[in-house]
Amino acid sequence: DGGITQSPKYLFRKEGQNVTLSCEQNLNHDAMYWYRQDPGQGLRLIYYSQIVNDFQKGDIAEGYSVSREKKESFPLTVTSAQKNPTAFYLCASSMRGSFGFGTDTQYFGPGTRLTVL
Amino acid sequence: DAKTTQPTSMDCAEGRAANLPCNHSTISGNEYVYWYRQIHSQGPQYIIHGLKNNETNEMASLIITEDRKSSTLILPHATLRDTAVYYCIVRVEKAGNMLTFGGGTRLMVKP
Repeated sequence: DGGITQSPKYLFRKEGQNVTLSCEQNLNHDAMYWYRQDPGQGLRLIYYSQIVNDFQKGDIAEGYSVSREKKESFPLTVTSAQKNPTAFYLCASSMRGSFGFGTDTQYFGPGTRLTVL
Repeated sequence: DAKTTQPTSMDCAEGRAANLPCNHSTISGNEYVYWYRQIHSQGPQYIIHGLKNNETNEMASLIITEDRKSSTLILPHATLRDTAVYYCIVRVEKAGNMLTFGGGTRLMVKP
């Protein structure tokens, strides 16, 4: 069953703690993305990666970090430096990466809702 | 990426076709029209996309006007599970190009 998985679905953390959100895909996609969505708002890009061991900042990267050690995985760490981390976090992937092959249609995971208490 | 304009909300009777319009009068020649939908508290779901020609897949049809300044997403037989917010996006298709969701159309399918 191919797709994008995110875990956990709901996450609660105390203020000041770092937390890592998981994103895994078995679609053999080169590119992966992290977005943030706030209530009633659109998507804002945090980070994206077009190839293993490389990633770029999006519009709101401050207070977040990522790694891309494997093609299938793109974990996002929300650090204590992120001033307002409570949000719905969405991971996406698309076939086309740095080499330009395949489509750029982005497919999304189910999301992780992070609440900082 | 070009800006899009969609109605805030629409109703549709179950079993009838749902026609969702989108205006994108400033679209460029290399920008595609994409449609996604988002059911409450779930990740967005890709529906369909196109450049110039009309497109159809198992979920929907996309009709793009000849001047490409507007498009219509058609759900041929709407069901209650199609109740969602539908987003029309125009963008250049390239890796790393983020998706920009506007306000979207809240479609309510009623029995």
